[in-house]
Amino acid sequence: AQKITQTQPGMFVQEKEAVTLDCTYDTSDPSYGLFWYKQPSSGEMIFLIYQGSYDQQNATEGRYSLNFQKARKSANLVISASQLGDSAMYFCAIYSGAGSYQLTFGKGTKLSVIP
Amino acid sequence: DTAVSQTPKYLVTQMGNDKSIKCEQNLGHDTMYWYKQDSKKFLKIMFSYNNKELIINETVPNRFSPKSPDKAHLNLHINSLELGDSAVYFCASSPDPTPYGYTFGSGTRLTVV
Repeated sequence: AQKITQTQPGMFVQEKEAVTLDCTYDTSDPSYGLFWYKQPSSGEMIFLIYQGSYDQQNATEGRYSLNFQKARKSANLVISASQLGDSAMYFCAIYSGAGSYQLTFGKGTKLSVIP
Repeated sequence: DTAVSQTPKYLVTQMGNDKSIKCEQNLGHDTMYWYKQDSKKFLKIMFSYNNKELIINETVPNRFSPKSPDKAHLNLHINSLELGDSAVYFCASSPDPTPYGYTFGSGTRLTVV
């Protein structure tokens, strides 16, 4: 079984500053993938970034980067130059297990960007 | 073109009623899912279908029954609705065998009164 832990229920960041959202994971599968999703107040789940367990480099997508530390089983999301529109819930999720494509989610972190 | 579409977006109903939520994807994905997001925002898998076959059936009351008439559709039928069923239900789809392209619908907010 796999597990995701997000220890920050809420975070505040000043506009234009960078922020790191923590995520640690647990899985016994050597092959897995880590996802981050954003859920704004409108409710939809927006895919942000993906990191595969065998990827050598940390994933980046625009202002989002994933700080993947395999030995520590952490997959922190870094948002650079925060914008007011980044205020939302952020979920870390893991997919693992051959033939099983379900995502296991953490409890989320609510990010608030302060002008 | 909406990739994964759910209807209805909002559903308010009385206890004891039976209701259905429909989901359709036009991505050509082989696998579809239902997730439930509770009032504390926790998301959990309920069911998964791969090419119309049930592959994941988590511990969910048997009042919940998924139905997949074809691989582009996965509907969720709920019998005898209870107050605790109030939640947001998300449909999702993914291609096999890669997790790339895992796509969620916009969610259905079910309120049982």
